[in-house]
Amino acid sequence: QKEVEQNSGPLSVPEGAIASLNCTYSDRGSQSFFWYRQYSGKSPELIMFIYSNGDKEDGRFTAQLNKASQYVSLLIRDSQPSDSATYLCAVPEGSWGKLQFGAGTQVVVTP
Amino acid sequence: DTAVSQTPKYLVTQMGNDKSIKCEQNLGHDTMYWYKQDSKKFLKIMFSYNNKELIINETVPNRFSPKSPDKAHLNLHINSLELGDSAVYFCASSQVGLAGVLTDTQYFGPGTRLTVL
Repeated sequence: QKEVEQNSGPLSVPEGAIASLNCTYSDRGSQSFFWYRQYSGKSPELIMFIYSNGDKEDGRFTAQLNKASQYVSLLIRDSQPSDSATYLCAVPEGSWGKLQFGAGTQVVVTP
Repeated sequence: DTAVSQTPKYLVTQMGNDKSIKCEQNLGHDTMYWYKQDSKKFLKIMFSYNNKELIINETVPNRFSPKSPDKAHLNLHINSLELGDSAVYFCASSQVGLAGVLTDTQYFGPGTRLTVL
């Protein structure tokens, strides 16, 4: 069973600060990585997708991938109360779109 | 327009009953999934269908039986419900390319919160 691990949190972040979330994975052959955001009582929604080593930026979100160290991180700049949610890291396992999810990191942005 | 829809949104039932959850997607995707999210928020895949064919069948009690009448619909029937079946069940869909490679994200439905008393 391939594993995807995240700190469960909660990660408390002051408004305007940077939230840093980490995800490690066990399958060295993994090629692509997804970050989903899930608000309480809602369904997961994709916020970032990365497959190349290095950084990928989209608005206030930056995904960082280091395949050699087998981790992918998500930075949320200028954190807002609306960023308070659980962030799920997902890694494809095998084929047919099967995703292995981490347990998620709860982020709480405090005004 | 709702991309992935599920019914019902809430389901409260007694132990031992049989219930079904329905899912429909209007995205034209060829692959659909059922996930279970437990009280600890861990999201785990249960089944996947590609063009009405079962392609992923995780270690799930055989009381759970998925059915896909066409590639836009995926239903989940649960027999003899148990307390441990209480969870949120999410349907999702995606487009999977050649050799089963995921070419897009998975789009999730709103979820069905199942409570077994």
